[in-house]
Amino acid sequence: AQSVSQHNHHVILSEAASLELGCNYSYGGTVNLFWYVQYPGQHLQLLLKYFSGDPLVKGIKGFEAEFIKSKFSFNLRKPSVQWSDTAEYFCAVSGTYKYIFGTGTRLKVLA
Amino acid sequence: SAVISQKPSRDICQRGTSLTIQCQVDSQVTMMFWYRQQPGQSLTLIATANQGSEATYESGFVIDKFPISRPNLTFSTLTVSNMSPEDSSIYLCSVEDGQGRVEAFFGQGTRLTVV
Repeated sequence: AQSVSQHNHHVILSEAASLELGCNYSYGGTVNLFWYVQYPGQHLQLLLKYFSGDPLVKGIKGFEAEFIKSKFSFNLRKPSVQWSDTAEYFCAVSGTYKYIFGTGTRLKVLA
Repeated sequence: SAVISQKPSRDICQRGTSLTIQCQVDSQVTMMFWYRQQPGQSLTLIATANQGSEATYESGFVIDKFPISRPNLTFSTLTVSNMSPEDSSIYLCSVEDGQGRVEAFFGQGTRLTVV
């Protein structure tokens, strides 16, 4: 069955701490991989995406993610978080047009 | 990119009534999608709406409960019919980027509370 797992449901960090959010997927065939962010009271926004090529993908606001095919993973990282990174983060996969989302990770960054 | 506007942004409805949510896109797109995000849960695809054809519903969702219209390439509506408290969710409209590779853009969502 197609699925996306996000291991951390809630993460609390202090400013300047490093962040890594796990995402594993189960999907037959070629996948497109995404991380979306939802800031409080706002709509979903694309952080970064992977379609093909370099498995290390850089997105907006200093985020990056690494696609490891052998591990079916697409973990999100940021070397130094800021208070403004407080949000909910969703990992998603798609084959053609249908998206499958993970359950989300709520990140709270303490100033 | 695409800019998506949804109306209403939120509503509180009585059980047994219906609510129609509108989704307007600032560019022509082939495929539009409706998602539901129940409290504390992730997004679940309800259906895919293509202009000129009937919507395609995902498992667990039926047309009688969630009728969808797609009259043109920039607009779609989702109706939540005969509502119950279990329908309280955020409903989101999404579109693909139109470039063959799917990068979804989302509206701000409609927060529905059924009492």
